[in-house]
Amino acid sequence: KAGVTQTPRYLIKTRGQQVTLSCSPISGHRSVSWYQQTPGQGLQFLFEYFSETQRNKGNFPGRFSGRQFSNSRSEMNVSTLELGDSALYLCASSLGPQGAGEQYFGPGTRLTVT
Amino acid sequence: DQQVKQNSPSLSVQEGRISILNCDYTNSMFDYFLWYKKYPAEGPTFLISISSIKDKNEDGRFTVFLNKSAKHLSLHIVPSQPGDSAVYFCAAKKGDYKLSFGAGTTVTVRA
Repeated sequence: KAGVTQTPRYLIKTRGQQVTLSCSPISGHRSVSWYQQTPGQGLQFLFEYFSETQRNKGNFPGRFSGRQFSNSRSEMNVSTLELGDSALYLCASSLGPQGAGEQYFGPGTRLTVT
Repeated sequence: DQQVKQNSPSLSVQEGRISILNCDYTNSMFDYFLWYKKYPAEGPTFLISISSIKDKNEDGRFTVFLNKSAKHLSLHIVPSQPGDSAVYFCAAKKGDYKLSFGAGTTVTVRA
């Protein structure tokens, strides 16, 4: 069974631009969660989508948004990029809602904002 | 507000010795705790977990200890091997609510 895939793997953007990241969960998984990883902060939870509905949301500004499609693939969008948005963005999928079972992480998208 | 804290950002240990990673939490409602391991350029992978009704869980070289009164858990790796060099994240949750992660501890196993 294929694992969680994320595209692109690396991205360089300039301040003020917007970016869209994609995550394809393991086949059959209905939950996709997004995290931001920065040095010293660990994994900060962004949001979780389950069956196309946002189930949980972390403490991030409205510039960060996401959605999930009927095939469970998810996208995350960041508008008006800031230097502080440079980070590794990880997505994780699980069969049921996050917390109800094991999460499987993708390799991440490394975003650099210049 | 960081509810899960890993106060040691790094740990260096000699091959064959014990690695002890610590994690503290502030939310007494957490009822399930997990450790994840992350290699560079890969996503975190699940390592071991423990329910709040237990105080110890063992899986091969990995043992997790939970001290609920101190709101503290630790991961012991015995013996440490070069392949254990990675970043280790502690995580906790309440029910089926979202996971809260610590900042991670980078373990380096020296030959």
